[in-house]
Amino acid sequence: KQEVTQIPAALSVPEGENLVLNCSFTDSAIYNLQWFRQDPGKGLTSLLLIQSSQREQTSGRLNASLDKSSGRSTLYIAASQPGDSATYLCAVSSYGTASKLTFGTGTRLQVTL
Amino acid sequence: DAGVTQSPTHLIKTRGQHVTLRCSPISGHKSVSWYQQVLGQGPQFIFQYYEKEERGRGNFPDRFSARQFPNYSSELNVNALLLGDSALYLCASSFPRAADDEQFFGPGTRLTVL
Repeated sequence: KQEVTQIPAALSVPEGENLVLNCSFTDSAIYNLQWFRQDPGKGLTSLLLIQSSQREQTSGRLNASLDKSSGRSTLYIAASQPGDSATYLCAVSSYGTASKLTFGTGTRLQVTL
Repeated sequence: DAGVTQSPTHLIKTRGQHVTLRCSPISGHKSVSWYQQVLGQGPQFIFQYYEKEERGRGNFPDRFSARQFPNYSSELNVNALLLGDSALYLCASSFPRAADDEQFFGPGTRLTVL
């Protein structure tokens, strides 16, 4: 059974800092990995998707890496801004059940002025 | 283009009642999945439907059921509501391709069971 863990559970940083969020998963036979952002009480916004054959993806100030063999992914946020404050969720899917995502519990990020 | 839409946005029910939640996928998407997110937790997979057929089911009791219509919209039904069913219910759609199956989520329906 796939299990996804995210560390830290919460993080507070001053504006302008670079930061790294971590995600680990127990079964390396994944189809892809997605990072999402969730604002309080809202739905999920897809940030980045990394296919199992890829090592990283970049979008603006965000960079996500994937190391399938070690069961790890990181989300790097450069030059953080108060608008980045949200919960960040990592989710993996497996071959044969590609639309079924297994989520971590998220990292709650607060960027202070 | 419109994203995934869900209705209603909020719902309050009492124990034992029945509820129906609705989801319209992004135009062209044929797969719809449902997730339950309890406060402070990550979403948990409930169902996936593709081309109107159930393709996956999570570890939820038979009180939970769903269906997909010819226009690819979907309904999630929950019978005999329990207090523990209070959660944010999320719908996701995708257009499954060989190399990618990015999931796009709607805003969710907040269900409160009293």
